[in-house]
Amino acid sequence: KAGVTQTPRYLIKTRGQQVTLSCSPISGHRSVSWYQQTPGQGLQFLFEYFSETQRNKGNFPGRFSGRQFSNSRSEMNVSTLELGDSALYLCASSLGAFEQFFGPGTRLTVL
Amino acid sequence: GESVGLHLPTLSVQEGDNSIINCAYSNSASDYFIWYKQESGKGPQFIIDIRSNMDKRQGQRVTVLLNKTVKHLSLQIAATQPGDSAVYFCAENTETSYDKVIFGPGTSLSVIP
Repeated sequence: KAGVTQTPRYLIKTRGQQVTLSCSPISGHRSVSWYQQTPGQGLQFLFEYFSETQRNKGNFPGRFSGRQFSNSRSEMNVSTLELGDSALYLCASSLGAFEQFFGPGTRLTVL
Repeated sequence: GESVGLHLPTLSVQEGDNSIINCAYSNSASDYFIWYKQESGKGPQFIIDIRSNMDKRQGQRVTVLLNKTVKHLSLQIAATQPGDSAVYFCAENTETSYDKVIFGPGTSLSVIP
């Protein structure tokens, strides 16, 4: 069974731009969560989608948004990028139980 | 954000020794706990979990202990191997925050051959 895949793996953007990251969950998994990981703040929950609906949301500004498609694939978007948005963005999928399977992440660098 | 990780504790152990990684959790309402392992360049990988109605759970070479009185969680790795070198995160969750897992700051484990 293929694991969680994230594209792209690496991304470089400049301040003010926007970015869209993609996540394909494990086949059959309907829950997709997004996390931001930085050296200073650690792993922080962004939001979680289940069957195309956002169920949970972390404490991030409205510049961070996401969506989930009918095939459970998910995208997250960050608008008006700031230097502090540089991070590893992780996607995790689950069947809806607590065990989550993480993808390798997208490394975003904002210059 | 909800998880603060300003300092990453480190633990160095000799190959073959046992490792103990500790974690203090914050929410007394949390009832599900998970340990993750994250190797360089990879996403976190599930190791073992435990529910609040248990105080000990064993897996292959790993044991998780839960002390709800002092809100403390530990991960014991038996016969530590070089492949165990990684950052280990504890995470907590509550039934009311389905899939909204809160991670601890992580501990870096370095295994000395």
